[in-house]
Amino acid sequence: GESVGLHLPTLSVQEGDNSIINCAYSNSASDYFIWYKQESGKGPQFIIDIRSNMDKRQGQRVTVLLNKTVKHLSLQIAATQPGDSAVYFCAEIKDGTASKLTFGTGTRLQVTL
Amino acid sequence: EAQVTQNPRYLITVTGKKLTVTCSQNMNHEYMSWYRQDPGLGLRQIYYSMNVEVTDKGDVPEGYKVSRKEKRNFPLILESPSPNQTSLYFCASSSQWRRYNEQFFGPGTRLTVL
Repeated sequence: GESVGLHLPTLSVQEGDNSIINCAYSNSASDYFIWYKQESGKGPQFIIDIRSNMDKRQGQRVTVLLNKTVKHLSLQIAATQPGDSAVYFCAEIKDGTASKLTFGTGTRLQVTL
Repeated sequence: EAQVTQNPRYLITVTGKKLTVTCSQNMNHEYMSWYRQDPGLGLRQIYYSMNVEVTDKGDVPEGYKVSRKEKRNFPLILESPSPNQTSLYFCASSSQWRRYNEQFFGPGTRLTVL
């Protein structure tokens, strides 16, 4: 499969445990954030988003936490499964700008059996 | 099946030899875009298109061209490829601009320019 980054930070988690993936964003004016999952050999896939007027948002087995004070975003995956093995990256956008998603470089999640 | 397809998936070429990477979506999406992904840099947008015959530059458009003659197709053209365009390229589409939760990405095209 395709590698998306040779030297990505890697998080190794045992199957069944919870995973926490972190992202520091750059623009204090950003007001919309997205987490993506990218499996080997595939394109990115939207997981969950959050607006800056929220601190927490939950999906199916995933939770995103937003700490605007320290410009930090985290993705929590409950009961991690082998199919969760992928690269995860965040993206930020400031509403009102022309296009302008800014993507992070990502963290590789490895799920061990 | 709803999908974005790209061709070719892998391409090795030489400097200066014009090439086109095709992108096609079957979801009648209005918005399409091209990204490149490089180690340590994250995805960067090259060009985007709001609809047929409407295209605009993204963050890194130099050395690339696009066209949007039909809604389903959004080819990426490298008129004179150079080694710094060696990268992994993704096409994406969504029903409208900024519908990120509905955005579909293609499987990627690995381009090597020698």
